[in-house]
Amino acid sequence: GQQLNQSPQSMFIQEGEDVSMNCTSSSIFNTWLWYKQEPGEGPVLLIALYKAGELTSNGRLTAQFGITRKDSFLNISASIPSDVGIYFCAGPANAGKSTFGDGTTLTVKP
Amino acid sequence: EAQVTQNPRYLITVTGKKLTVTCSQNMNHEYMSWYRQDPGLGLRQIYYSMNVEVTDKGDVPEGYKVSRKEKRNFPLILESPSPNQTSLYFCASSLSSGPAEAFFGQGTRLTVV
Repeated sequence: GQQLNQSPQSMFIQEGEDVSMNCTSSSIFNTWLWYKQEPGEGPVLLIALYKAGELTSNGRLTAQFGITRKDSFLNISASIPSDVGIYFCAGPANAGKSTFGDGTTLTVKP
Repeated sequence: EAQVTQNPRYLITVTGKKLTVTCSQNMNHEYMSWYRQDPGLGLRQIYYSMNVEVTDKGDVPEGYKVSRKEKRNFPLILESPSPNQTSLYFCASSLSSGPAEAFFGQGTRLTVV
């Protein structure tokens, strides 16, 4: 199936720092989604992007749909300890199929 | 409360013993899907269903079966589990096809010995 390359694989940051992660694909996507998974839980949708160039915020989180439609970025500003978790990008592939990145594991040190 | 409910949350079983993991959603969603999550491999789609009686293979369907007899339920069946099916499994549902705005269950951790 299609693959999404997500980077970095993991991040260790100090509380208060900003975080940036990205996702790239060899194919064009019409939708980009960002999910967060906390330990012991299922992923929860953070931000959905439906238009090339779109920039959307959700509190301290900001995500962008790349204009080439082959990439997306997620930024977290002023990180706090509860930001820890695994962040996934995802996109629908063929009708019904879905593709997820391998995830970015975020650790925030108080 | 809108939710996707999986059962059981934890399961240890032996090789070859058939098992079923149930998934139920209360949001009247048409689309449901199963994923497995393994360290370093992200979420890989096993099967999905775009509506009642319509199911299709995802990227890793071998060794699994599903059924969609009613809209709310989408059970995952392992007819003859093997140790390489030890994994964390998630069910998800959404109003539209694909992962757009999908709601995930809490996961089922399966160990096959």
